[in-house]
This record gives sequence, structure tokens and C-alpha cells, in this order.
Amino acid sequence: SDEITQPPSVSVSPGQTVNLVCSGHELGTKYVFWYQQKPGRSPVLVIHQHNRRPSGIPERFSGSRSGNTATLTISGTQAIDEADYYCQAWDSGILVFGGGTKLTVL
Amino acid sequence: QVQLQESGPRLVRPSETLSLTCGVSGDSVNSDYYWGWIRQPPGKALEWVGSIYDNGSSYYRRTYYNPSLKSRLTMSVDTSKNQVSLKLSSVSAADTAVYYCARPKTTQREYSGRYHDAFDVWGQGTMVTVSS
Repeated sequence: SDEITQPPSVSVSPGQTVNLVCSGHELGTKYVFWYQQKPGRSPVLVIHQHNRRPSGIPERFSGSRSGNTATLTISGTQAIDEADYYCQAWDSGILVFGGGTKLTVL
Repeated sequence: QVQLQESGPRLVRPSETLSLTCGVSGDSVNSDYYWGWIRQPPGKALEWVGSIYDNGSSYYRRTYYNPSLKSRLTMSVDTSKNQVSLKLSSVSAADTAVYYCARPKTTQREYSGRYHDAFDVWGQGTMVTVSS
């Protein structure tokens, strides 16, 4: 299966916008899912299908796709957004996770 | 409200079989959802293990397995106990991880993509250590 790559770490200042990127073959043509995971906790779904947010997920989280990349954008980042973020997509019957990005809110 | 609870041995010997169950409350394991297992080795990324669908009809059961585990993996649905099971044989230290069970966001009837939707309901996870 194709791999999905994510930068290991990204930092952002509170109130700023941050883009978390996943790269993989033809990701722009696939449904890409995004999860947030805080230490010691189960993952939480933040984006599914095209750009749909489950109830309870703030509007500052949005998703987009183009070409071989998918992006999770957090607008007006808050300290509570500090977490690991994983993207995920199907590839020929295999559900692939990216390696995750640790988001630090400085 | 759907709740998932993983259970099983916390310690498994190398070369033996790891067996876990996911107890489901608030839904039926034969509903129009897939059920999935995901694992996470300590300090590492999430890894999808597999997904299973069984609506109780003999005409439609389907499983998708991580190819790296497929030769050792069996997932099943137990309708009488309303639980989903995972069996991973010939384990090694590399199988040490927190194992989560999960259910997708939408039913198969509602989902417009291929396979199934993202996992929206997660269990709390259970840590399994493979060691002698």
C-alpha cells in the first residue's frame, strides 16, 4: 500500500493558523480522515469524508485536499489544540495512517 | 449512546495467540456498521489492524485486514455476546501495543465512499505486552 507521510512536529503560536499536511499518492482524490490524540487518551475524530466535522468539533478545524496532499487547518489555534494529529485514508482496501504530527502551541 | 470496551489478557507469551474482545453496548454488532481494531505501540503511531462487517446475514460478511498482519489475524463477530473479537497468532514483542476497538461515523447505507467511514466511536484501549 502507499505510505502517507506527515511532518513529525509543527509548532504554532496561540491565535495563529496552522496547516498540518499529509502527503501520499493521489490523496487529493480520496476521503481523508483526521484524528486528534492527546497523551494517554483514545483518538478523537475531527474531520471525516470531504470536510465534515463531527458534532462537538469546533469550526476552527477544517480539511482540504489537492493533488497528492491533504491538509488539516486549525484557525485561531488554542492551547487545548496541542496534541498529536493523524491523517488516514483508504488505499485499495487497506486503511493507512500517517505517522502523525505533534502539534505544539507555544 | 454507543460504548465500546476492550478486554483480554494484558500479558501474552511470545509465539502464543493474543485474544481480545470488544464488548459493544448501545448498538448491535449486526447493525449496518463495520467494526475496527487499531493498535498503537508505546510512543509510536496508530496502526490499523483490521475491519469487519457482519449484518447477521449469511450473504454478506466482509473483512479487511492489514496485509502486514493478515497471515496471523482473525476477526469475528459474536452475535450472542454482542462483541467483536480479535485473534493474533504467533505474537512477538513487536505486537506489544495499546489495542483499540472502534466504530465508524456513518452506517454503510449512509456512507458515500468506498469501504467505510472514519472511526468515530473508540474504546478506551487495552495495553497488551508480549513478553516471556
